[in-house]
Amino acid sequence: GNSVTQMEGPVTLSEEAFLTINCTYTATGYPSLFWYVQYPGEGLQLLLKATKADDKGSNKGFEATYRKETTSFHLEKGSVQVSDSAVYFCALKGNTGFQKLVFGTGTRLLVSP
Amino acid sequence: EPEVTQTPSHQVTQMGQEVILRCVPISNHLYFYWYRQILGQKVEFLVSFYNNEISEKSEIFDDQFSVERPDGSNFTLKIRSTKLEDSAMYFCASSEARSGGSHGYTFGSGTRLTVV
Repeated sequence: GNSVTQMEGPVTLSEEAFLTINCTYTATGYPSLFWYVQYPGEGLQLLLKATKADDKGSNKGFEATYRKETTSFHLEKGSVQVSDSAVYFCALKGNTGFQKLVFGTGTRLLVSP
Repeated sequence: EPEVTQTPSHQVTQMGQEVILRCVPISNHLYFYWYRQILGQKVEFLVSFYNNEISEKSEIFDDQFSVERPDGSNFTLKIRSTKLEDSAMYFCASSEARSGGSHGYTFGSGTRLTVV
């Protein structure tokens, strides 16, 4: 079945550091890939998505590129802020019939001033 | 921007009691979902609902659980005879199209259920 593997956290960075959170997936066919963010005390918010190979999703300075050859969708940001501290979830969804969202375990990011 | 609204934000219940978690999906959405996240674990799919019936459910969604759209705006998750292991954050989501379509799902902010 479909699955998502994320790097374990927490990831601790200083403000303005470069961020990478690794995500790899296993799926049949051509899934859509997502990053969701969960700020403290809040729900899941869609951060960005990509629906086909080589697509780059971007939002709020975050980027992720759909790499089919390495089955990866790593999240990157060039300069993190304290306000980026949250839990980040990689997720995928198949593209045939009904397919539920399959989430990774989440990676907590802590950014210090 | 349209939101999915969930109430209450936090519910504490005694083991064995019934709870109803409420959600108001986005008004023009047709597909509704419940997911849950046990503390420190993955977000897991529970059930999807369309046209007043369950369209998909996971193995977690056993006879203890039921969903309903009682009045055309609310979407509820009922848990009968709650167990300690039902303690989790429960997320409601809705979408325009099956499996999220091009716009994906919109999630609510969640209801934290604590069973004591």
